Amino acid sequence: DGGITQSPKYLFRKEGQNVTLSCEQNLNHDAMYWYRQDPGQGLRLIYYSQIVNDFQKGDIAEGYSVSREKKESFPLTVTSAQKNPTAFYLCASSSRTGYGETQYFGPGTRLLVL
Amino acid sequence: GIQVEQSPPDLILQEGANSTLRCNFSDSVNNLQWFHQNPWGQLINLFYIPSGTKQNGRLSATTVATERYSLLYISSSQTTDSGVYFCAVERTYKYIFGTGTRLKVLA
Repeated sequence: DGGITQSPKYLFRKEGQNVTLSCEQNLNHDAMYWYRQDPGQGLRLIYYSQIVNDFQKGDIAEGYSVSREKKESFPLTVTSAQKNPTAFYLCASSSRTGYGETQYFGPGTRLLVL
Repeated sequence: GIQVEQSPPDLILQEGANSTLRCNFSDSVNNLQWFHQNPWGQLINLFYIPSGTKQNGRLSATTVATERYSLLYISSSQTTDSGVYFCAVERTYKYIFGTGTRLKVLA
């Protein structure tokens, strides 16, 4: 089955610790995205990548880092510089087609700070 | 940057009722999508609709790009329609999401 997988489903972070959230897609999509969702809020763009080895900051990139070494993988690291990391993190991918670009989302990772 | 506003913020319906959700955006966009987020957090794409009208079963959507708004229609609502509905607009690969409409359908 084609789709987007995220792991882990739940993640606990201690103060001062860096943690990495995994996102993998087998849809052969060029573009991948990371969003943050706070309770009762919409999604905010953290980082996006249109092609391997290239990525751009979104609206709330401070305290986060990414890499795009493979087309199918776009891991997100939440660094200790992110002072309020507790949130729901969603990864998405898309491929521009003749009918337009549709984003597909993974199931998400819930990050909690201990 | 582009502002995306959705209304109403909350909506409670009896099963079988119809509803209209609205999305206003402040500038021209390349792409507009509607999503449904279920109670477990999964986002499902409903429509890609930068302009015009589309229908999929009980759901339909219309975007009037020149007037910068989009409407999502839900007919004969079911309890499984409950959740949060988001619209998202895109310019130059950056997606901006609205704050959503939280829908609860009562049996």
